[in-house]
Amino acid sequence: GAGVSQTPSNKVTEKGKYVELRCDPISGHTALYWYRQSLGQGPEFLIYFQGTGAADDSGLPNDRFFAVRPEGSVSTLKIQRTERGDSAVYLCASSLTTLPETQYFGPGTRLLVL
Amino acid sequence: GDSVTQMEGPVTLSEEAFLTINCTYTATGYPSLFWYVQYPGEGLQLLLKATKADDKGSNKGFEATYRKETTSFHLEKGSVQVSDSAVYFCALTLSGGSYIPTFGRGTSLIVHP
Repeated sequence: GAGVSQTPSNKVTEKGKYVELRCDPISGHTALYWYRQSLGQGPEFLIYFQGTGAADDSGLPNDRFFAVRPEGSVSTLKIQRTERGDSAVYLCASSLTTLPETQYFGPGTRLLVL
Repeated sequence: GDSVTQMEGPVTLSEEAFLTINCTYTATGYPSLFWYVQYPGEGLQLLLKATKADDKGSNKGFEATYRKETTSFHLEKGSVQVSDSAVYFCALTLSGGSYIPTFGRGTSLIVHP
């Protein structure tokens, strides 16, 4: 079946602009995670959804970052007033359980802020 | 805080060579340990795991042993193939806590024919 998909695959924007990154999880997966992977670094946790609600948003770096999952499937990560330091690959993962070994990762969205 | 340290890459090997990628961890509790792999153009995927001391995780010819005394979880493979070229990430989660993995910075492996 289809895996986790993320759109767009690449996004170039200018400093100060607003961007939305989309994640389509595997059908039926109730848990959804967002990570940020900066160049030369491992993925860093941003936020975790269980169903429609954010169960843990402790990784969001500041209030410019926000994520929603209104119907418990597709999720959108929203970044306001983008800064050059936001440039990274944003990864989404979904799973049926909370166990990390069951997370399926998408290919990521590469965001470049000029 | 909890963290994972991996050897810097890239690691460049010839086909059929022996591979070791070092990983050490710092954790306040008793973590579960993981290796993930990211092939070019693909999403991150779990390679193997170990949940307690002295456990050995293995998959696709790769293996790693959870060493509590040295706080290590080194990845090894006896004979690498070109198709093993990828970025490898060591990670941990804390038992009884959040199941969100803490990742190392990754080690790139390049295998030449």
